[in-house]
Amino acid sequence: GAVVSQHPSWVICKSGTSVKIECRSLDFQATTMFWYRQFPKQSLMLMATSNEGSKATYEQGVEKDKFLINHASLTLSTLTVTSAHPEDSSFYICSAPMKGKDTEAFFGQGTRLTVV
Amino acid sequence: GIQVEQSPPDLILQEGANSTLRCNFSDSVNNLQWFHQNPWGQLINLFYIPSGTKQNGRLSATTVATERYSLLYISSSQTTDSGVYFCAVAIFPGTASKLTFGTGTRLQVTL
Repeated sequence: GAVVSQHPSWVICKSGTSVKIECRSLDFQATTMFWYRQFPKQSLMLMATSNEGSKATYEQGVEKDKFLINHASLTLSTLTVTSAHPEDSSFYICSAPMKGKDTEAFFGQGTRLTVV
Repeated sequence: GIQVEQSPPDLILQEGANSTLRCNFSDSVNNLQWFHQNPWGQLINLFYIPSGTKQNGRLSATTVATERYSLLYISSSQTTDSGVYFCAVAIFPGTASKLTFGTGTRLQVTL
């Protein structure tokens, strides 16, 4: 149980284009999902909290117009990197706790984005 | 915000050796998790351990919340243990699954 799946695992896109990353909870419902970013040789940093049925909450310094988050259902959150630039190249990973059980966080496998 | 420091930052072990990784945090927490990040980036949940001691095979962990630290023990290390180990905490009071990650310990196990 508690499986979180991300898609795609890796993506290469051209500078100026937009990329959508999906995060799904496969065997449980999640009213909240979290998006993290990890640059090479660094730790993971929380970008935003995705809330089903309401707007996402962004951490300080994260551009909400650049990183669009949509929590469309109790099992799906999407992160869209708009007008991507090479500096957006990073590892993006999502997590979700089970609905009604705010304890352990379960992570997807991550998405490696390269902008060329 | 909360500070989460891990030590040592890098560790090289010979196969079969034991090691202790430390995680210090600067504020009260209501969650602490240990993860192993493999070379492909995937985070493997090792322990959910806001307090107390747990063991799982060759790994064990102890969290002393009142003293704001946690330890991860790896015994009889294997090459497959190589990777980066992160502890992550959630600030109390707050959402227990909203994590702040530590600085990480990069472990290399050699033959």
